[in-house]
Amino acid sequence: GQQVMQIPQYQHVQEGEDFTTYCNSSTTLSNIQWYKQRPGGHPVFLIQLVKSGEVKKQKRLTFQFGEAKKNSSLHITATQTTDVGTYFCAGFDMRFGAGTRLTVKP
Amino acid sequence: GAGVSQTPSNKVTEKGKYVELRCDPISGHTALYWYRQSLGQGPEFLIYFQGTGAADDSGLPNDRFFAVRPEGSVSTLKIQRTERGDSAVYLCASSAGQNSPLHFGNGTRLTVT
Repeated sequence: GQQVMQIPQYQHVQEGEDFTTYCNSSTTLSNIQWYKQRPGGHPVFLIQLVKSGEVKKQKRLTFQFGEAKKNSSLHITATQTTDVGTYFCAGFDMRFGAGTRLTVKP
Repeated sequence: GAGVSQTPSNKVTEKGKYVELRCDPISGHTALYWYRQSLGQGPEFLIYFQGTGAADDSGLPNDRFFAVRPEGSVSTLKIQRTERGDSAVYLCASSAGQNSPLHFGNGTRLTVT
């Protein structure tokens, strides 16, 4: 079935460094949603992007939806230890990608 | 109101047994999803209900898995003849409609011995 692919699978950063995760699809998406799952927790909704080229910001987090609506990115500026977790995108009919696991070294 | 509630939080069963997992969605949410998540993996879609009907059950792995939502609120995921490979966290999520943000429960951790 249709899937969204996420890269990288893992990312380890020093606190204060930036972090970016990418979500890619071979076909056009009507919308994309991003979720964060803390270790031992359940996924929590972060944001939904709908429009081509859309950019949304939440404090240190910047979300982008590609012009062709086939890819999306989540960028975190100056990571903090509270950013630790796995970031998932969800595309076609709420199918989730495999996620990017972020660890932050204090 | 309250969030999505899943019971039990943990279930240990023997191979071959039958189990039922329950999900109480947020009141008024018409859409309900079941996912399965193994360690280190993303949530694997199982089934989506819109109201009482299963709008998409293409993620159910085989005919041992079945889910119902008879009154458009509470849903039960049923697994027959459990196998060790069924061990995972089963997540339920509800939303106000298709493609609306999902609100997840804390999941049921199923262990098949």
